[in-house]
Amino acid sequence: LAKTTQPISMDSYEGQEVNITCSHNNIATNDYITWYQQFPSQGPRFIIQGYKTKVTNEVASLFIPADRKSSTLSLPRVSLSDTAVYYCLVGDNPLHNSNSGYALNFGKGTSLLVTP
Amino acid sequence: EAGVAQSPRYKIIEKRQSVAFWCNPISGHATLYWYQQILGQGPKLLIQFQNNGVVDDSQLPKDRFSAERLKGVDSTLKIQPAKLEDSAVYLCASSLPQGLGFSYNEQFFGPGTRLTVL
Repeated sequence: LAKTTQPISMDSYEGQEVNITCSHNNIATNDYITWYQQFPSQGPRFIIQGYKTKVTNEVASLFIPADRKSSTLSLPRVSLSDTAVYYCLVGDNPLHNSNSGYALNFGKGTSLLVTP
Repeated sequence: EAGVAQSPRYKIIEKRQSVAFWCNPISGHATLYWYQQILGQGPKLLIQFQNNGVVDDSQLPKDRFSAERLKGVDSTLKIQPAKLEDSAVYLCASSLPQGLGFSYNEQFFGPGTRLTVL
C-alpha cells in the first residue's frame, strides 16, 4: 500500500476555504485516492474519492495532478461543524477480487480545528 | 437505510477479564471489518470477513482476540484476557462487493465501542 503524508494539524476560521494536501509519491497505477472524515466519538465517514483530475461533490472537492503523487482535499467555506480529523488513503484491492472489499490503511490524519 | 450498529458503546473492565463486542452491518453488505483505534491514531484493521469467511486476520492478536461472523451477518469480537494496552475504540465497518457500490470500496463505520481496561 502506498504511504501517505499529510499535515498533523491545521487551523482555520469559519467561512474560509481549507485545503489539505496529501503526498503519496509511491502511488500505484491501480490505486484510488480516498478521503475520510472522523468526528470525535464517531467512526470515520467517506467524503470523496478520485483517480485523476478533479472530483467534486456536495461536501468537498478533490484535486489530483497528472502525476498523481499528491492530492488536495478542498473544503469550501468551513463551519465549526467541520472540525474533525481528515484521513487521506491510497490503495487498491490487493487481491484484485471484485467480490471482496479490502482493508483501509489509515495514518494519523490531519486534525482540522475551525474557530469563529 | 439503517447504518452499522454496534454494542455496547462503552465498556470498562479490569485487566485479565474478558469482553465481547457485537456488530450488525448494513443489510446486504458482504464484507465486514473490525478495526482498533488507539487514542491519537488512525484505525488499524484487526480482521476482515467476506460473508462468514475470514479474508485477513494477519494483525489480530490471536492469543487473546477472536472473532466470528456466523451466518455471514452479525459479528462478535472477543478479548480474553484483556490487557491494559487493549484500551481503545473498536470500530466495525461494512462494505458492498466491488462494483456494486457508488464508490470504490466505500466503507460504512459504526459508532464504535470504547473499551477501557483498568
